[in-house]
Amino acid sequence: NAGVTQTPKFQVLKTGQSMTLQCAQDMNHNSMYWYRQDPGMGLRLIYYSASEGTTDKGEVPNGYNVSRLNKREFSLRLESAAPSQTSVYFCASSESGTPNTIYFGEGSWLTVV
Amino acid sequence: QKEVEQDPGPLSVPEGAIVSLNCTYSNSAFQYFMWYRQYSRKGPELLMYTYSSGNKEDGRFTAQVDKSSKYISLFIRDSQPSDSATYLCAMSGGGANNLFFGTGTRLTVIP
Repeated sequence: NAGVTQTPKFQVLKTGQSMTLQCAQDMNHNSMYWYRQDPGMGLRLIYYSASEGTTDKGEVPNGYNVSRLNKREFSLRLESAAPSQTSVYFCASSESGTPNTIYFGEGSWLTVV
Repeated sequence: QKEVEQDPGPLSVPEGAIVSLNCTYSNSAFQYFMWYRQYSRKGPELLMYTYSSGNKEDGRFTAQVDKSSKYISLFIRDSQPSDSATYLCAMSGGGANNLFFGTGTRLTVIP
């Protein structure tokens, strides 16, 4: 049982380039999330999808887009990467909408130069 | 003012010590209180969960919530080198899409 799988694990981008972070979960969870983690800032929600077919903005959505491709997959796209988007990105999923059921992936380290 | 405040540490203790990790918060609507453990280069994993106030114990770990003081704690008894990690507190008033995290406390347990 893999849980939440993210790809790629590490990526270096040049300013202005685009890329997509992929996330898949095999726990049949309805809700999925994308967070970023920065030193001194804690985890902050970028976007979430409460169920297949729906997406909503979180605390820091600017510069990102998401797609809930199906129940298993939730991707995060950076259309024009900026150095401020250098961060560690975590995908997560939850069985229901309750906070105690969230499972995180292992993270994607993104550097924008 | 941040919703959740957590001392970043770092905290170093000898093996076998009792560790106390703490967070304060400002939003009285918070009802769900979680502690996550995050090993280096890994994602957070849920360690303890408490709904509303009170204590919860799981093996060497005890989580306490004092809603009157807006203060939560995680105690680790008989700490082990394998407990070396960053501990994140998190809390919410309801939905998982409205979860507030502390910045994390880095703990090192020295053999």
